[in-house]
Amino acid sequence: AQTVTQSQPEMSVQEAETVTLSCTYDTSENNYYLFWYKQPPSRQMILVIRQEAYKQQNATENRFSVNFQKAAKSFSLKISDSQLGDTAMYFCALIGTASKLTFGTGTRLQVTL
Amino acid sequence: DTGVSQDPRHKITKRGQNVTFRCDPISEHNRLYWYRQTLGQGPEFLTYFQNEAQLEKSRLLSDRFSAERPKGSFSTLEIQRTEQGDSAMYLCASSGQYMDTHTQYFGPGTRLTVL
Repeated sequence: AQTVTQSQPEMSVQEAETVTLSCTYDTSENNYYLFWYKQPPSRQMILVIRQEAYKQQNATENRFSVNFQKAAKSFSLKISDSQLGDTAMYFCALIGTASKLTFGTGTRLQVTL
Repeated sequence: DTGVSQDPRHKITKRGQNVTFRCDPISEHNRLYWYRQTLGQGPEFLTYFQNEAQLEKSRLLSDRFSAERPKGSFSTLEIQRTEQGDSAMYLCASSGQYMDTHTQYFGPGTRLTVL
């Protein structure tokens, strides 16, 4: 069975600052993919960034980057230059050879002025 | 590319009634997924289609739930004899056949409230 754990239920960051959201996972598979999704209030789930487990290089997408530590089964998301529009629920998710995504319980991020 | 669409966006029903939701995936995607999300939780997998074939069903999908994708395009999720515990957001996602097959793109969801 696959599990994803997000230990920070809520976080707050000031605009323009940097914040890191934590995620740990467990899987017995060697070939898997990790994702961060963003779900703004009352809006749909949006893909933020993805990481293939076989790639050592950490993925980056503009202000978003990950710190992928495969041995530690850790997959944190760093948001640089935080903006008010980053306020959302952030979900870490894992997919292996099965087709279903396994999600964590989410971290609610509030960006403040 | 118009993204994944779902209809209706909101549904309020009385306990015991049947409801049906529709999902239209991204046009070139052959894989379609249904998830259920309750308040404060991450989405949980319900079922998965590749083209018209339903390849996997979660234990969460009781006998009252049925999903179809008859022509390999849109999909429907029906809940019979709804219960208050069925109140949740029902999310649909799709992914491609050739490139980026593991990345799922989500629709806006259908929020079901069972009174």
